[in-house]
Amino acid sequence: SQQGEEDPQALSIQEGENATMNCSYKTSINNLQWYRQNSGRGLVHLILIRSNEREKHSGRLRVTLDTSKKSSSLLITASRAADTASYFCATDAGDSGGSNYKLTFGKGTLLTVNP
Amino acid sequence: DAGITQSPRHKVTETGTPVTLRCHQTENHRYMYWYRQDPGHGLRLIHYSYGVKDTDKGEVSDGYSVSRSKTEDFLLTLESATSSQTSVYFCAISTRGAGTEAFFGQGTRLTVV
Repeated sequence: SQQGEEDPQALSIQEGENATMNCSYKTSINNLQWYRQNSGRGLVHLILIRSNEREKHSGRLRVTLDTSKKSSSLLITASRAADTASYFCATDAGDSGGSNYKLTFGKGTLLTVNP
Repeated sequence: DAGITQSPRHKVTETGTPVTLRCHQTENHRYMYWYRQDPGHGLRLIHYSYGVKDTDKGEVSDGYSVSRSKTEDFLLTLESATSSQTSVYFCAISTRGAGTEAFFGQGTRLTVV
């Protein structure tokens, strides 16, 4: 079964507002990543947070990780219409460089930012 | 965009026919992955490769096989296509696995009629 599960499935906000998406996962991980997908396109990496980190920032993005609750959140501040996309969390587990390493994705959150 | 190309980009095929999708990279990345994306399911891992001739199954591998005879190419084969395999297929690559981002191709839209 898929490792990550995003919540909510869909989110609609106005431009300028903040958007928060959550991700829960089931087993121990090495790192957690967030990706963005524009309609009809491949996924693009946004940010990676390691299992020993609790918070990370990149521009308007803020990611938190709570390994005790097996959950992460992605906050996009001051959203823009161009932020409209699907957002996925991805967890990697297994030995880095090893045969059991896998990168698995959740079902995603569809974010719509209205002008 | 990272040097990753999927072919074909679109394909319509009949039930029962074999289909091969190709993923080609110019980045010399070790790991390559095949995912399928379906509404309500997000991305699900089909197979992955951690080196030439080294592959393993993902969560939805039934009905699919893969081969990687050289670093740059990862082939996904549907031995006998079924309508349930109608999907968008994505290839991804990463360098050493854990702690590194994955780069995605543009996807292949496969329709099985």
